[in-house]
Amino acid sequence: EAGVTQFPSHSVIEKGQTVTLRCDPISGHDNLYWYRRVMGKEIKFLLHFVKESKQDESGMPNNRFLAERTGGTYSTLKVQPAELEDSGVYFCASSPRGGNEQFFGPGTRLTVL
Amino acid sequence: SQQGEEDPQALSIQEGENATMNCSYKTSINNLQWYRQNSGRGLVHLILIRSNEREKHSGRLRVTLDTSKKSSSLLITASRAADTASYFCATDAKKTSYDKVIFGPGTSLSVIP
Repeated sequence: EAGVTQFPSHSVIEKGQTVTLRCDPISGHDNLYWYRRVMGKEIKFLLHFVKESKQDESGMPNNRFLAERTGGTYSTLKVQPAELEDSGVYFCASSPRGGNEQFFGPGTRLTVL
Repeated sequence: SQQGEEDPQALSIQEGENATMNCSYKTSINNLQWYRQNSGRGLVHLILIRSNEREKHSGRLRVTLDTSKKSSSLLITASRAADTASYFCATDAKKTSYDKVIFGPGTSLSVIP
């Protein structure tokens, strides 16, 4: 069974540009989470989808970040416009309904120059 | 506020030695998980220990959980150079009907060949 996949694995953009990260959860998983680790600091929660609904977006840093999960399958996280401090690794995780363990993707490394 | 906090922040040992990392948390939990992140790569789930468990083993890994002290430890025995990575503990945070995982800042482990 395929795990959580993320695309791209690495993105290098200039300040002010837009970047869209994609996450494909494990098939059938209702829960989808986004996390990020910036500047070698701790990994922080960004938001949580249950199917297509945003259950908790308390970790979204500001309105430059927009997450969607149309159809309740894959999710995108758009950063517009990107700033230098957005550089880091963005992780996606999924879990089945009622599941305890979250399955993480490999992450997308974002570098904003 | 941060839920999980690892100790030490950085650890350097010789290959073959044992490495012990500790994690403390603040609120009641259902599960505690340990993850590893190799430099520039994605998170790898190592082990999950439930709140009613006190110890768990997986290969060279041994995890303990003391809910009275709100702490956990991860022991890696007979360390190898390939164990060099950042290790994170993560606790679940129950809120209404959904969960999110809260990560500590991580322990950076260097295993010197």
